[in-house]
Amino acid sequence: GAVVSQHPSRVICKSGTSVKIECRSLDFQATTMFWYRQFPKQSLMLMATSNEGSKATYEQGVEKDKFLINHASLTLSTLTVTSAHPEDSSFYICSARDVHAGLNGYTFGSGTRLTVV
Amino acid sequence: AQKVTQAQTEISVVEKEDVTLDCVYETRDTTYYLFWYKQPPSGELVFLIRRNSFDEQNEISGRYSWNFQKSTSSFNFTITASQVVDSAVYFCALRSTEYGNKLVFGAGTILRVKS
Repeated sequence: GAVVSQHPSRVICKSGTSVKIECRSLDFQATTMFWYRQFPKQSLMLMATSNEGSKATYEQGVEKDKFLINHASLTLSTLTVTSAHPEDSSFYICSARDVHAGLNGYTFGSGTRLTVV
Repeated sequence: AQKVTQAQTEISVVEKEDVTLDCVYETRDTTYYLFWYKQPPSGELVFLIRRNSFDEQNEISGRYSWNFQKSTSSFNFTITASQVVDSAVYFCALRSTEYGNKLVFGAGTILRVKS
């Protein structure tokens, strides 16, 4: 079945630095990828929808200059947390839509646990 | 009102017990899709089932079964003879045009199965 690879799985960074998270669809082309944020013991909150070759669409309240999303190819989307602060510490998870898999085609990555110290 | 409500924050059962996880949704669309996902401690989301609004037939897959009732806007999930490996967070999600065709997740239910 469809596989989405997300790296890194864990990252610890210093406050003020930037962190890049990659999300790759391994065996299908993903024209659309989604980025979610999950706080401990809470649900997944959609941050943005990225479409290959165009600008990402951010959800209300998400700072686009803080969370840079690039979807330069049909198999890769990246989320860069710029000038990270401790409050950015969270679990980030991506999802890629395989259009050929119909509506079952929301495949999730394994997530990235970001800790900003 | 929340779009997807999972009123049970946490459920603890003893192995081999049956357990039902509730999900109530809200949408004005007549065409929509409901999903259940499992999130084990490792963090990845595992797809369990999708149901479209036109198909109210209940489904059984091994120890898992789903009861979809449009009249009550509910899509409940039952695990029969629960096992320790079922321990995880379970999310119900809705996709509808009303919400921009994005997956909207409920708050999740933590299921703890004790041996």
